[in-house]
Amino acid sequence: TQLLEQSPQFLSIQEGENLTVYCNSSSVFSSLQWYRQEPGEGPVLLVTVVTGGEVKKLKRLTFQFGDARKDSSLHITAAQPGDTGLYLCAYRNTGGFKTIFGAGTRLFVKA
Amino acid sequence: GAGVSQTPSNKVTEKGKYVELRCDPISGHTALYWYRQSLGQGPEFLIYFQGTGAADDSGLPNDRFFAVRPEGSVSTLKIQRTERGDSAMYLCASSLRGGVPGTEAFFGQGTRLTVV
Repeated sequence: TQLLEQSPQFLSIQEGENLTVYCNSSSVFSSLQWYRQEPGEGPVLLVTVVTGGEVKKLKRLTFQFGDARKDSSLHITAAQPGDTGLYLCAYRNTGGFKTIFGAGTRLFVKA
Repeated sequence: GAGVSQTPSNKVTEKGKYVELRCDPISGHTALYWYRQSLGQGPEFLIYFQGTGAADDSGLPNDRFFAVRPEGSVSTLKIQRTERGDSAMYLCASSLRGGVPGTEAFFGQGTRLTVV
């Protein structure tokens, strides 16, 4: 199993600030996924990045896949309290049926 | 229902007892997955069903854990002789089919199991 390292583990910021969280590995991936998990809920898929260097935007969220397809980042512009949650990066195993998650970055946005 | 439904949402049990956790997948989804999430961690894979059969149970931690899906729809995760270390959030997910690139898995809200 390839290891996904997410940083920081925890982030507490004020509403309106920008932030970036990271997902790193020494392995190459065909794709990486980002999920958000709110307290008491299951993870919800935000995006899948597939091509090295790819940038995807989802409203105030910008996802980037590293050129070498070993890492990814998530940038949030003007964070809002509703962005609070656990952000998980993940990949699918070779057979495509198992999702392997990182430990996540827990984000808290204060009003 | 529209989404994956898990019951109960919370379960407190005494050490040594037997528990069953239920998952109702999205209608028509043939693939079903169980994950376990400990505090401060991401979900960890337990078992994957394609239809009625367990296609991969490599994530089950030991023989106290067992899961069934007799009719290819509802699944039950069974834990015998529970231990305090089994305390975690147990998540179920389903997808239209397993092993198909781009097929999204949808997660339920989870069952929070606490063993006291």
